[in-house]
Amino acid sequence: DTGVSQDPRHKITKRGQNVTFRCDPISEHNRLYWYRQTLGQGPEFLTYFQNEAQLEKSRLLSDRFSAERPKGSFSTLEIQRTEQGDSAMYLCASSFEQGLPDTQYFGPGTRLTVL
Amino acid sequence: AQKVTQAQTEISVVEKEDVTLDCVYETRDTTYYLFWYKQPPSGELVFLIRRNSFDEQNEISGRYSWNFQKSTSSFNFTITASQVVDSAVYFCALSEPITQGGSEKLVFGKGTKLTVNP
Repeated sequence: DTGVSQDPRHKITKRGQNVTFRCDPISEHNRLYWYRQTLGQGPEFLTYFQNEAQLEKSRLLSDRFSAERPKGSFSTLEIQRTEQGDSAMYLCASSFEQGLPDTQYFGPGTRLTVL
Repeated sequence: AQKVTQAQTEISVVEKEDVTLDCVYETRDTTYYLFWYKQPPSGELVFLIRRNSFDEQNEISGRYSWNFQKSTSSFNFTITASQVVDSAVYFCALSEPITQGGSEKLVFGKGTKLTVNP
């Protein structure tokens, strides 16, 4: 059974550039979550998809951030006009809807560094 | 809003010692779920356990055990006979309902970095 995968694992960009990350959930999982983790902190929730529908977005998700899950399978997270404060680990998790609670399984994360 | 406090920022022990990681939570929900995850240096969060608020039985899995006490809002994690491979950051998390879709998001503590020295 393949786990959650994320690509790229590391991304270095200059301030003002756009970046896009990809998450491939575990194949039968219909729920997908994005979290952000800064140094020395626990992950913080960003957004949630059930199948292709984005059902919740955190206030942390400014208008420079957009996430999609077009066919209910993989998801992308795009950050436009990156800022140094966007430097963090972006974690994706997936779960299978089978009654509360789902167990969220996490990918290895994408570490973003904005210079 | 949910809150999780892990007061121990870093713990260092010698191999074979027992170690307990503390977790205290705040919630107004009557039904909720608690989790522990392990984050090794590679960065991936590894699921360890989930516990619902109605089940206060302690759980043991090999060298790991968990003590859930609703009266003190605590969900502590003990590693018995620690090993070098246990070195990681450990996160406690609390579920918070997502309005639509019937799922839950996780609210994490800041983590406890455990170093097990040979």
